[in-house]
Amino acid sequence: QSALTQPASVSGSPGQSITISCTGTSSDVGGYNYVSWYQHHPGKAPKLIIYDVNNRPSGVSNRFSGSKSGNTASLTISGLQAEDEADFYCSSFTSSSSTLVVFGGGTKLTVL
Amino acid sequence: QLQLQESGPGLVKPSETLSLTCTVSGGSIISSGDYWGWIRQPPGKGLEWIGSIYYGGNTYNNPSLKSRVTISVDTSKSQFSLRLTSVTAADTAVYHCARHRNGQVTYWGQGTLVTVSS
Repeated sequence: QSALTQPASVSGSPGQSITISCTGTSSDVGGYNYVSWYQHHPGKAPKLIIYDVNNRPSGVSNRFSGSKSGNTASLTISGLQAEDEADFYCSSFTSSSSTLVVFGGGTKLTVL
Repeated sequence: QLQLQESGPGLVKPSETLSLTCTVSGGSIISSGDYWGWIRQPPGKGLEWIGSIYYGGNTYNNPSLKSRVTISVDTSKSQFSLRLTSVTAADTAVYHCARHRNGQVTYWGQGTLVTVSS
């Protein structure tokens, strides 16, 4: 099972926008609209912030948005705030060899 | 509000079996379309899906761990469990139980650190 590919780190200043990419294959990201994104602060449980490519759960800021093109999904965070600093992971449903879930390697967001 | 809570030993010796249980409360483990899974995060590394089970008993495992992983469910106790055999230091991680649907995790347990060491 190969992890989805994410950049190891991204950074931005308060108020700016950043985008994190998540690249998979036609067996996962490209084949299904079941891409999700999680924000993970150390020591806490990851928090679902985007599901079904571009939907936000209730209570999640509209500064978070998702999209997909081909085998690559993206998470955009606009109006960066200090509290956004965290690790971000993408995941996708996968039809690859009896597995169900594949995660990206994670991206560390630093707010400068 | 659905809650998941992991329980089990925090220290396991090399070559032995890691056993964890997840107790589900605030909702039913018998839920159409929802899968109950285990996800781990080794220190300094990313999330890794270990495997999942449906309430009816169908299981799905990460091929990289397949032969060492057993996941079971006890619907009468609203619990599901993980057994990972022949552990090594590489299995040291925070282990989360979770509920997911269509590959997307909607609820996470807080996680429990399991250290493999003699």
